[in-house]
Amino acid sequence: AQSVTQLGSHVSVSEGALVLLRCNYSSSVPPYLFWYVQYPNQGLQLLLKYTTGATLVKGINGFEAEFKKSETSFHLTKPSAHMSDAAEYFCALALYGGSQGNLIFGKGTKLSVKP
Amino acid sequence: KAGVTQTPRYLIKTRGQQVTLSCSPISGHRSVSWYQQTPGQGLQFLFEYFSETQRNKGNFPGRFSGRQFSNSRSEMNVSTLELGDSALYLCASSRTGMDTEAFFGQGTRLTVV
Repeated sequence: AQSVTQLGSHVSVSEGALVLLRCNYSSSVPPYLFWYVQYPNQGLQLLLKYTTGATLVKGINGFEAEFKKSETSFHLTKPSAHMSDAAEYFCALALYGGSQGNLIFGKGTKLSVKP
Repeated sequence: KAGVTQTPRYLIKTRGQQVTLSCSPISGHRSVSWYQQTPGQGLQFLFEYFSETQRNKGNFPGRFSGRQFSNSRSEMNVSTLELGDSALYLCASSRTGMDTEAFFGQGTRLTVV
């Protein structure tokens, strides 16, 4: 069965520090992988996605993620945290060629940014 | 262009009642998916509709149902509400569902008392 595990339900960083949010997946077929961000009382916004091809994916707001098949990981990074990055982040998986209408989400990681 | 619109934004219902939530997708999008978000279970897939047909279904009881109209607008219905149905219900639309980006609405916050 497919699953997504996000390590750390809460991560706190200082403004200007590196952001690293961890995501591991389990899938028997090549996955599509996504990172979404959710601000309080809002829906989800897509940060970036991996489908096929280049394993280093760049997204919006300076975020990027690297697909590592050997480690079944898709960690999200940002070199320098900004106060506006404080939000909840979700890693999600869709089966290769499958409908993105059916996403499997991790439990989410809440990012706090200290001034 | 207008985003995904969910109505109402907030809803309070009593146990045993039923509720209908509405989702208007982005113009041109034919796939609409529904998710339930709770603190305990996180985001869970409910169902997906494409061209008025249910294409995928998550693991929820039959009290949860949905439909999609010819204009792609979708509704989900929950009958015989339970306290545990209190959640944020999110709707997402995409052009065909096979695309690699789904756009989410702001959600409907349902509270069952």
